[in-house]
Amino acid sequence: GDSVTQTEGPVTLSEGTSLTVNCSYETKQYPTLFWYVQYPGEGPQLLFKVPKANEKGSNRGFEATYNKEATSFHLQKASVQESDSAVYYCALSPYMGYKLTFGTGTSLLVDP
Amino acid sequence: EAAVTQSPRNKVAVTGGKVTLSCNQTNNHNNMYWYRQDTGHGLRLIHYSYGAGSTEKGDIPDGYKASRPSQENFSLILELATPSQTSVYFCASGEGGNQDTQYFGPGTRLLVL
Repeated sequence: GDSVTQTEGPVTLSEGTSLTVNCSYETKQYPTLFWYVQYPGEGPQLLFKVPKANEKGSNRGFEATYNKEATSFHLQKASVQESDSAVYYCALSPYMGYKLTFGTGTSLLVDP
Repeated sequence: EAAVTQSPRNKVAVTGGKVTLSCNQTNNHNNMYWYRQDTGHGLRLIHYSYGAGSTEKGDIPDGYKASRPSQENFSLILELATPSQTSVYFCASGEGGNQDTQYFGPGTRLLVL
């Protein structure tokens, strides 16, 4: 079956430092890849999605490139802010499907 | 004007009791989903629905039933609640399709004693 593996948390950073959350996936089908973010007390919400290999998605300063050869979709941000403190989920949806398979989530805490 | 709402937000139940979690969406989406969220497991799909009257098993359906009486409403039913079902439950809606964005509700925290 499909699977997603991502950086185990918690990750603690100082404001202004860079972030990388690793995400790798396994699927027999050609997926769409997603990053969702969950703020405390809320449900997950879409950060961005990328349906095609070798394309980049971005939003709010976060970005990730769909690397089909390496089966990776790492999340990066050059300079984190305290307001970025949240749980980040990598997920995939197979081609011609719509069921999301999520990773275990990475908790990020940014100290001011 | 939240598009996906859940009730109750918190619930304490006794082992062996029946629990119903409700979800309502105003997105007019065909698909709806129930997930549970546990540390170390992330979000796991329990049941989903393509539209009114349909329910499908997700990845971890054992011990759960679902009901979709209308486009807007999707319920998750625990007929005989067990402590292992203590978790946070999220409902989501989506239009369908492999690029589908799912819109999540705020979650229901369930404690089974």
